[in-house]
Amino acid sequence: AQSVTQPDIHITVSEGASLELRCNYSYGATPYLFWYVQSPGQGLQLLLKYFSGDTLVQGIKGFEAEFKRSQSSFNLRKPSVHWSDAAEYFCAVGDNNAGNMLTFGGGTRLMVKP
Amino acid sequence: DTGVSQDPRHKITKRGQNVTFRCDPISEHNRLYWYRQTLGQGPEFLTYFQNEAQLEKSRLLSDRFSAERPKGSFSTLEIQRTEQGDSAMYLCASSIGPPGEQFFGPGTRLTVL
Repeated sequence: AQSVTQPDIHITVSEGASLELRCNYSYGATPYLFWYVQSPGQGLQLLLKYFSGDTLVQGIKGFEAEFKRSQSSFNLRKPSVHWSDAAEYFCAVGDNNAGNMLTFGGGTRLMVKP
Repeated sequence: DTGVSQDPRHKITKRGQNVTFRCDPISEHNRLYWYRQTLGQGPEFLTYFQNEAQLEKSRLLSDRFSAERPKGSFSTLEIQRTEQGDSAMYLCASSIGPPGEQFFGPGTRLTVL
């Protein structure tokens, strides 16, 4: 069965600092991978996705992620964090054989210090 | 494109009552998904439809839960004889696939007293 692990439950960074959120997945074939962001009281918004091709994918709001098959990782990065980036971030893997149903990690809560 | 909508946004009910939630997907999206999210956790898959056919159901979906998508448009999720453990945020998503990125609605927060 597929699974996703986000090792960091909470991360605090200073505004303007760089950010990396870790995601490790378990899936038998080539995965579909996603990062979503959830602000308090809001639904999930897709930041970026990987289906195939270039392993470095660009998303919205200046985020990027790199798929590393050898490490089963899909880490999210941003070079300079803004206060508005404070939110909960979820990594997810899609099951190609089951209608792309998503399995989510437990999430990482990002706090931004002024 | 008005996005995925869900109704109601909040529902408070007493244990043992039945509740029904509605999801309206983005028009022309052939796939519709239901997830459940409890506090401090990531969403968990419940079930998915391709058009009007329910193709996958999670083991989380006990026999008290039923979902429908008549005519392949909106979907309803009903919980019978609610229990306190059913308290959660119920999220709906839709996509056009395969493979399809999923667009999520704002969710329905259920509180069972």
